[in-house]
Amino acid sequence: KAGVTQTPRYLIKTRGQQVTLSCSPISGHRSVSWYQQTPGQGLQFLFEYFSETQRNKGNFPGRFSGRQFSNSRSEMNVSTLELGDSALYLCASSTSGNTEAFFGQGTRLTVV
Amino acid sequence: DQQVKQNSPSLSVQEGRISILNCDYTNSMFDYFLWYKKYPAEGPTFLISISSIKDKNEDGRFTVFLNKSAKHLSLHIVPSQPGDSAVYFCAASAPSGTSYGKLTFGQGTILTVHP
Repeated sequence: KAGVTQTPRYLIKTRGQQVTLSCSPISGHRSVSWYQQTPGQGLQFLFEYFSETQRNKGNFPGRFSGRQFSNSRSEMNVSTLELGDSALYLCASSTSGNTEAFFGQGTRLTVV
Repeated sequence: DQQVKQNSPSLSVQEGRISILNCDYTNSMFDYFLWYKKYPAEGPTFLISISSIKDKNEDGRFTVFLNKSAKHLSLHIVPSQPGDSAVYFCAASAPSGTSYGKLTFGQGTILTVHP
């Protein structure tokens, strides 16, 4: 069974640009959550999608958004990038959001 | 407000001995707890979980203990192996209502197992 796949693995963007990250969950998993990992803040929850609906949202500005498609694949978008957005972005999938979450390899975003 | 705390930033043990990683939480709504292992620049790997209706769960060399009254859980690794060297994260969830899909993580403990 294929795991959670995140693309791309690495990205370098300039301040002010926008970026889109992609996540393909484990087959059969309908819940997809996104996390940001930075050295100072650790792993922080961004948002969760289930059946194409955002069910939960963390404390991040509106520049961070996402969506989920009918096949459960999810995308995350960050607009007007800031230097502080440099982080490892992780996607996790689970069957319903109530059980174990399995993470992808992450996308390393560097904003210069 | 850090709702999940791992007070030991690092732990060093000898190969073959027991590793004990600790985690405390403050939110009484948490009812599901998980441990993850993580290498740099990779995603966390799920190790073991426990529901609040249990006080112990075992999976091979890994055992998680939950003390609800103390709001404390621990991960025991026996015997420890050099390949266990990684950062270990404790995570908690309150899987209901507006908390769906959200894991709250501790800051992690770096485990080093010496041959």
